[in-house]
Amino acid sequence: DQQVKQNSPSLSVQEGRISILNCDYTNSMFDYFLWYKKYPAEGPTFLISISSIKDKNEDGRFTVFLNKSAKHLSLHIVPSQPGDSAVYFCAASEDSGAGSYQLTFGKGTKLSVIP
Amino acid sequence: NAGVMQNPRHLVRRRGQEARLRCSPMKGHSHVYWYRQLPEEGLKFMVYLQKENIIDESGMPKERFSAEFPKEGPSILRIQQVVRGDSAAYFCASSPKRVSGGYGYTFGSGTRLTVV
Repeated sequence: DQQVKQNSPSLSVQEGRISILNCDYTNSMFDYFLWYKKYPAEGPTFLISISSIKDKNEDGRFTVFLNKSAKHLSLHIVPSQPGDSAVYFCAASEDSGAGSYQLTFGKGTKLSVIP
Repeated sequence: NAGVMQNPRHLVRRRGQEARLRCSPMKGHSHVYWYRQLPEEGLKFMVYLQKENIIDESGMPKERFSAEFPKEGPSILRIQQVVRGDSAAYFCASSPKRVSGGYGYTFGSGTRLTVV
């Protein structure tokens, strides 16, 4: 039962253009959504998060949009740069009730930015 | 300012052996999280610890797996009698205190366990 889904395993974009990475979720109890970037042989690096009560959060070239009614979020990267080539993970958190916020991750989308 | 340090980076074990994975949190951080990434999958939560205390182990397999975070020293994830299905990348993250769901905690580079 995959609660966070990234349906596109890969995405190729020209340098300078917009990259749009999508994510769908099924659990209405998620209260925050996060995006992580991961290079090979490294750990995930936090990019940006959004509360479930917001519909947009922006940080430099990265913007996350949340459509709660559709249970869908997306990460926009503008403009895309070759250094953005990595695997992007969508994650969602909820209070486990045990005093912790567990992150549930999607399977990732591999972004390739072509110079 | 060292980040989250995990060692070893790569670990090879034969079936039936024990695997010990170590995680040193960022300086000043007293909360540690362990996640596992199976091949072609996303990361999955395993356990959340504070020094000398397990807060949430709801993601830990019921048998063979244990975790600790002593008052002194790194957090240890221990896998007894490893099987091929334990082959995965194990990531540790840390935070300075109990945090809200939007906190993007910092992950280490992981330990890649291969069971042969």
